[in-house]
Amino acid sequence: GQNIDQPTEMTATEGAIVQINCTYQTSGFNGLFWYQQHAGEAPTFLSYNVLDGLEEKGRFSSFLSRSKGYSYLLLKELQMKDSASYLCAARLNTGGFKTIFGAGTRLFVKA
Amino acid sequence: DTGVSQDPRHKITKRGQNVTFRCDPISEHNRLYWYRQTLGQGPEFLTYFQNEAQLEKSRLLSDRFSAERPKGSFSTLEIQRTEQGDSAMYLCASSPGVAYEQFFGPGTRLTVL
Repeated sequence: GQNIDQPTEMTATEGAIVQINCTYQTSGFNGLFWYQQHAGEAPTFLSYNVLDGLEEKGRFSSFLSRSKGYSYLLLKELQMKDSASYLCAARLNTGGFKTIFGAGTRLFVKA
Repeated sequence: DTGVSQDPRHKITKRGQNVTFRCDPISEHNRLYWYRQTLGQGPEFLTYFQNEAQLEKSRLLSDRFSAERPKGSFSTLEIQRTEQGDSAMYLCASSPGVAYEQFFGPGTRLTVL
């Protein structure tokens, strides 16, 4: 079966760094997405990793290890507006490259 | 605003009624996806289209659900004989191809009484 695990909730302080982990067990893995979703809004794209390693994009970085079935999203210099759910999603190369999502990690940033 | 629109934004219906939702993707995007999301969960894949062809449909989707994309542009999702368990946010997303991220619409929130 296809399975994506990530912590349900995390709390961090404004200005700090937080790492949100994601592990996946899928067949036909193609790549790993991270999306941000504020309450009541649609998900918005943050990053996509296909190859192993770290990709940095401003305050956000994403890491992938295909051999370990593991990814993380690193958020630096946290701001209050970063309080949101962060969705880990695996793109599969079965059929037509559909994407399956984890349940999301709700991040609370406190002052 | 990602450029993907959905209509209606909210729908309240009684159990047993049929409902239809519409999604207008970004015009040059040939791939269109439907997801269902309940509180505290990530989006659950329902189906997707490449142009007008429906390429895959979730096995979780009962026969009460049907989707179309007749001209490869907008898409409709119909739920027949709605049940209370169908209450959820229905999200549509589009992408310009396989190797690209999906752009999500604002969703249609369905409440079945």
